[in-house]
Amino acid sequence: AQSVSQHNHHVILSEAASLELGCNYSYGGTVNLFWYVQYPGQHLQLLLKYFSGDPLVKGIKGFEAEFIKSKFSFNLRKPSVQWSDTAEYFCAVNLRGGADGLTFGKGTHLIIQP
Amino acid sequence: SAVISQKPSRDICQRGTSLTIQCQVDSQVTMMFWYRQQPGQSLTLIATANQGSEATYESGFVIDKFPISRPNLTFSTLTVSNMSPEDSSIYLCSVPPGIRAPRVGEQFFGPGTRLTVL
Repeated sequence: AQSVSQHNHHVILSEAASLELGCNYSYGGTVNLFWYVQYPGQHLQLLLKYFSGDPLVKGIKGFEAEFIKSKFSFNLRKPSVQWSDTAEYFCAVNLRGGADGLTFGKGTHLIIQP
Repeated sequence: SAVISQKPSRDICQRGTSLTIQCQVDSQVTMMFWYRQQPGQSLTLIATANQGSEATYESGFVIDKFPISRPNLTFSTLTVSNMSPEDSSIYLCSVPPGIRAPRVGEQFFGPGTRLTVL
């Protein structure tokens, strides 16, 4: 069965710390990969996406993610977090070229302490 | 990106009743997706709604419980039927880029409908 695993369910960091959130997927086929963010009281927003090409993708607000095909991973990184990065982060996957809905990981609740 | 609105934004309902949630998009889209986010959980795909055909349901979801309409390329409804407290969730619709966009894959999400069943 298709699945997405996020390793960290709750992460607490201080401002200026570096961030890495893990995401692994199990999917039979070539995939599209996404990170979505949900800020408190707001709806889901696309943070970044990978379809093909350069496996290192850059998103909004200084976030980046690296697709490592051999590890079935798509980890999210940010070198220096800010208090405003406090949010819920979801990794998601669907099949490339198809018209599929997304399979989401369980999410990571990130709290940045000032 | 698409602008998506949902009605109602929230509701409190009695057990055994039904609620219809509307999703309106500001541009024509090929598909519309309905998700459920139970308290403290991630999003789970309920079904895919295509215009002019029956919706496609994911494992664990059935048409009798979650009937869907898709009368045109900018609108869809999801009904939560014969509700129980276990149906308390946020229900979200999402859409891919517009019908003229070259790439299908990413999705844009509406604000969600927060449903509480007593």
